[in-house]
Amino acid sequence: DAGVIQSPRHEVTEMGQEVTLRCKPISGHDYLFWYRQTMMRGLELLIYFNNNVPIDDSGMPEDRFSAKMPNASFSTLKIQPSEPRDSAVYFCASSFRTGATVQFFGPGTRLTVL
Amino acid sequence: AQTVTQSQPEMSVQEAETVTLSCTYDTSENNYYLFWYKQPPSRQMILVIRQEAYKQQNATENRFSVNFQKAAKSFSLKISDSQLGDTAMYFCAFMIPSSGYALNFGKGTSLLVTP
Repeated sequence: DAGVIQSPRHEVTEMGQEVTLRCKPISGHDYLFWYRQTMMRGLELLIYFNNNVPIDDSGMPEDRFSAKMPNASFSTLKIQPSEPRDSAVYFCASSFRTGATVQFFGPGTRLTVL
Repeated sequence: AQTVTQSQPEMSVQEAETVTLSCTYDTSENNYYLFWYKQPPSRQMILVIRQEAYKQQNATENRFSVNFQKAAKSFSLKISDSQLGDTAMYFCAFMIPSSGYALNFGKGTSLLVTP
């Protein structure tokens, strides 16, 4: 298996622009997680899905952030409009069945908002 | 609040030596899972080891082992025979199924293995 795939790996954009991050989970995994990593706040959960349904979005910072999972093999995290404080590494992770098993992480997307 | 504390921001060890990274956590739950993840400069998050709270036996994965003290809420990672490739950030994390399946991470310990 190719593992969790994220694109793009790097994104540089200007403040006010829309940013879309993409994730393909490991085939057969039914949980998908979006995390954000910053120096100040460390690694924090943004949202997670089970069977394509959002379960907990309490970590989404504000209405500028939205996430979708239209099918079992694809998810997006969108920021509109982007701000410099959104600069971070965004990770997607997936896990199988109970979710109590290991979460496998993608390589992350490094987002820089100028 | 359920928190994870890694009290050592940075550590250094010589190649072939043993090093222990500390982690404490705070929860009132009885059923949870503990993890150590490694993040090398490539920034990929890699699972090192996992421990179920209901198991008394400490988990071991090759050169990596944990000292799980449930009563003390302590979950330290021991790396034996350290190798240069072990240089990375190490994150302690736990998951409480009754609170959802998200991982709660500590701030991390930066480990440098020197020749």
